Amino acid sequence: EAQVTQNPRYLITVTGKKLTVTCSQNMNHEYMSWYRQDPGLGLRQIYYSMNVEVTDKGDVPEGYKVSRKEKRNFPLILESPSPNQTSLYFCASSLLRAGTDTQYFGPGTRLTVL
Amino acid sequence: GESVGLHLPTLSVQEGDNSIINCAYSNSASDYFIWYKQESGKGPQFIIDIRSNMDKRQGQRVTVLLNKTVKHLSLQIAATQPGDSAVYFCAENEDNYGQNFVFGPGTRLSVLP
Repeated sequence: EAQVTQNPRYLITVTGKKLTVTCSQNMNHEYMSWYRQDPGLGLRQIYYSMNVEVTDKGDVPEGYKVSRKEKRNFPLILESPSPNQTSLYFCASSLLRAGTDTQYFGPGTRLTVL
Repeated sequence: GESVGLHLPTLSVQEGDNSIINCAYSNSASDYFIWYKQESGKGPQFIIDIRSNMDKRQGQRVTVLLNKTVKHLSLQIAATQPGDSAVYFCAENEDNYGQNFVFGPGTRLSVLP
């Protein structure tokens, strides 16, 4: 089954404790992206990756890092989480650039930073 | 399930009626638009897309209308069913080579029995 998976689905942590949210897709997609979703603000892009070892900032990259060592995986790293990073996070992938092809979204990760 | 938004605009329709969900976009240079459906506890799911060289596109039970003059996008759902209850987002992209979609805040559709 073609899908985007994220882990964990739910995470409660404390300020400053490094964490990683994993994202994996089995569709051989080149393009992957991370979004955060906050009430009233819709989805905002954090980082995206065009292919292995190619990443770039989205609209709200501050406080986040990503890596793309393999085509299927695109982890989101919070080196020192803060309460304002409490949010619902989605990973997405697409075969081509996001402007020309449908993005497939993962199920989401609910992060709470205390 | 996951809460998408606490203060979203809400549209309530009777089962079997047609639904129209509206979206105003901001960038006159946007040339590609997508409607997504997000059910509770799930990620957004593609419904239908349209490019700026079109003003209407139809899918199965869904139609998207694009009015570039007033920068307005609408999603029409025919014969709304309980399974259509969800939050619906429009997303715009500035050009075919851009990487960033701008998402609207969403509209919650509630289907009444």
